[in-house]
Amino acid sequence: EVQLVESGGGLVQRGGSLRLSCVASGLTFRNYSMNWVRQAPGKGLEWVSYISSNSRAMYYGDSVKGRFTISRDNAKNSLYLQLNSLRAEDTAVYYCAGGLWFGELTFDYWGLGTLVTVSS
Amino acid sequence: EIVLTQSPATLSLSPGERATLSCRASQSVSIYLAWYQQKPGQAPGLLIYDASNRATGIPARFSGSGSGTDFTLTINSLEPEDIAVYYCQQRSHWPLTFGGGTKVEIK
Repeated sequence: EVQLVESGGGLVQRGGSLRLSCVASGLTFRNYSMNWVRQAPGKGLEWVSYISSNSRAMYYGDSVKGRFTISRDNAKNSLYLQLNSLRAEDTAVYYCAGGLWFGELTFDYWGLGTLVTVSS
Repeated sequence: EIVLTQSPATLSLSPGERATLSCRASQSVSIYLAWYQQKPGQAPGLLIYDASNRATGIPARFSGSGSGTDFTLTINSLEPEDIAVYYCQQRSHWPLTFGGGTKVEIK
């Protein structure tokens, strides 16, 4: 069974930093690209970032470009998101998500999410 | 950036009725559109991929149609467990984008 488990969320001050992790199991992690998607409280879904299976390609949403960095360690089956220069509007549940069966950009697996709260 | 506009924002129907949800793209996304269901307190789950294909294990009462800029998710014979917010998502162009969601309520 494929599982994605996020961690690293918490309360951080505006301007601060945080590193999120997502550990994958039940799949050959190194074969799949991965993504981060976030959801502000009571709001809709927002795609944040993509990383290819070999880390050669990375993409970001406009709202996080230059502040967030996605990375992965295939030896540890782990995906990361470094969040810098945090703003109040970055407060959200952050999900890691992957497309395994229906195309890499169609997300058939999601973690349960980790909550990031940015205080002002 | 491709903007996906979902309508209506909220849909209130009785069990057994048909739900019709719309997703309109600001430019063509071909068939590269997916639908997700998010139940309260849960992560989203994939329903439909490439506009009209049901994901594994999705009941036949869920169907998708459309191409280009206009897409529809239909739930035939609504059941109480279908209470959720439904999102569309395009993978045709970077950045990937989601619609704002349609909340389906049971009368």
